[in-house]
Amino acid sequence: GEDVEQSLFLSVREGDSSVINCTYTDSSSTYLYWYKQEPGAGLQLLTYIFSNMDMKQDQRLTVLLNKKDKHLSLRIADTQTGDSAIYFCAEKPGGYNKLIFGAGTRLAVHP
Amino acid sequence: DGGITQSPKYLFRKEGQNVTLSCEQNLNHDAMYWYRQDPGQGLRLIYYSQIVNDFQKGDIAEGYSVSREKKESFPLTVTSAQKNPTAFYLCASSIWVSGEGNEQFFGPGTRLTVL
Repeated sequence: GEDVEQSLFLSVREGDSSVINCTYTDSSSTYLYWYKQEPGAGLQLLTYIFSNMDMKQDQRLTVLLNKKDKHLSLRIADTQTGDSAIYFCAEKPGGYNKLIFGAGTRLAVHP
Repeated sequence: DGGITQSPKYLFRKEGQNVTLSCEQNLNHDAMYWYRQDPGQGLRLIYYSQIVNDFQKGDIAEGYSVSREKKESFPLTVTSAQKNPTAFYLCASSIWVSGEGNEQFFGPGTRLTVL
């Protein structure tokens, strides 16, 4: 079946790197996404990776995909207080235009 | 500015009442979606629409209804049959191209509280 799992909380010190992990079950997934949600707001797409890629870097964000283990991670370098939010991992199963979301990881950045 | 708007931001409803949440987009997107978000859970798909006058049930459609009479608009009605309607509702839209990434753009959400 379709399932996306993430740890619920992560706390990091300002300036350190954050790594948010996600596992998914659908091996046919073609695209995997990371969304950011700030309090009381909608979701903002941060980045996405196509399933035939291993890594994608975009400024402070690095996405790593291990397709064999169905594991996706998001690394945020030099984490700032403005990065405090909930981060959602989502997969797009092959043949569908819907997204399957994880429960979200709440990132707390402290001084 | 292009984007998705949802109204109202906060909505209160008495038990037994139907209520309609508005979602409008000016991105010229074919596809629109409604999600429900509960604390500690991911987004769950209620309904989606690929084109005007067509829509499909998502994973939790019971107690909800939608219409898609215009490309720009995809209102969601929460009926009295929905047993636990208090939640944060998010609308999204995307282009519709089979096999592509089809990034979904989200509105700011409507928080519905049943009194």
